[in-house]
Amino acid sequence: EVQLVESGGGLVQPGRSLRLSCAASGFTFEDYDMHWVRQAPGKGLEWVSQIGWNSGNIVYADSVKGRFTVSRDNAKNSLYLQVDSLRAADTAFYYCVKPVSTRYCGGAICYGAYDYWGQGTLVTVSS
Amino acid sequence: EIVMTQSPATLSVSPGERATLSCRASQSISINLAWYQQKPGQAPRLLFYGASIRATGIPARFSGSGSGTEFTLTISSLQSEDFAVYYCQQYDLWPRTFGQGTKVEIK
Repeated sequence: EVQLVESGGGLVQPGRSLRLSCAASGFTFEDYDMHWVRQAPGKGLEWVSQIGWNSGNIVYADSVKGRFTVSRDNAKNSLYLQVDSLRAADTAFYYCVKPVSTRYCGGAICYGAYDYWGQGTLVTVSS
Repeated sequence: EIVMTQSPATLSVSPGERATLSCRASQSISINLAWYQQKPGQAPRLLFYGASIRATGIPARFSGSGSGTEFTLTISSLQSEDFAVYYCQQYDLWPRTFGQGTKVEIK
């Protein structure tokens, strides 16, 4: 059974930092690019970042570029998101998500939709 | 950035009726589109990818269609468990973007 379990959220003051973690199990972690998606309470979904299977091909949303850093440890089946210089607008549930297709997909049959989501970890930025 | 626009924002439907949700992309995304369902307090659940490929465990009353810039999610006969918020998402270009959601509520 695929499981994604996030941790590391909490209440933090503006300008401070947190490190979010995602423990993955039930699939071959190193075969997948991985993503973070966030959702402010009562609002819609916002894609945050992707990291390639080999820690390459890192992409960020403009809203977090330069402040957030995504990383992974395939030996530990873990994904991370270092969130720095936090702002009130970063208050959200942060989800670790797995795409449908593995790194072996090619061309038109690569599906970037997310078939598994963690339960989310809440980051609240407030003074 | 590709802007995804969903309509309507809220859809009021009686149980057993048909619901049709729309999603429009600001530029062509081929069939690189997904639909998700989200219930209160839960993470989103994948319904469709490739615009029309039903995800594992999704009932046949759900169908997805479209290509290019216009996409549709249809629920043929709404069940009580289908009242939720539905999001579309494009994965054709970076950054990945979601629509703002359509809330399907009980009429």
